[in-house]
Amino acid sequence: DVKVTQSSRYLVKRTGEKVFLECVQDMDHENMFWYRQDPGLGLRLIYFSYDVKMKEKGDIPEGYSVSREKKERFSLILESASTNQTSMYLCASNLMRGGGATDTQYFGPGTRLTVL
Amino acid sequence: RKEVEQDPGPFNVPEGATVAFNCTYSNSASQSFFWYRQDCRKEPKLLMSVYSSGNEDGRFTAQLNRASQYISLLIRDSKLSDSATYLCVVNMKGFKTIFGAGTRLFVKA
Repeated sequence: DVKVTQSSRYLVKRTGEKVFLECVQDMDHENMFWYRQDPGLGLRLIYFSYDVKMKEKGDIPEGYSVSREKKERFSLILESASTNQTSMYLCASNLMRGGGATDTQYFGPGTRLTVL
Repeated sequence: RKEVEQDPGPFNVPEGATVAFNCTYSNSASQSFFWYRQDCRKEPKLLMSVYSSGNEDGRFTAQLNRASQYISLLIRDSKLSDSATYLCVVNMKGFKTIFGAGTRLFVKA
């Protein structure tokens, strides 16, 4: 079974703090993704990575950065947390070599981040 | 207009009922289609892929209509354990995946 793990299930931070969310997958997947999920808006892509040290902006990258130093690990960084970044953050991975469209994504359990 | 649209529900149905969800997508270049299930406070998990020829898995049937750009999910003989949010998902070429906001289903005893 594919396993995607995230460093924390719940996190509470203060405005202005730097926040690190980590994601690890154990299936040697090429691609990793960070989403946020908010009620009524569905999942929105923040960043994704299709290879080590490669990253691409998703639909809502503002206020976030990412790091992928190893294939199995993809980190999301909030440089200076703000209250509008309170959300559920979901990491996902899939194999999908070459940008093919048929692979499904496997999700981690999510991190519920609250910024006060 | 959202790229993938779903009726948010909630759908409240008794056990044993048949319930159907629809989803429309706007981009005709969409390549592959899925239904995911998300339980409360849990991550989304793949329920089934959707093909033009239809796809059936036990009590669940998914259908794709490319001409009308909609996807359907039919659940027969609903169980209490089917209560969840169902996400319609569309893959484009080049890593782009669009998630619908989800349809909530409550199955009552």
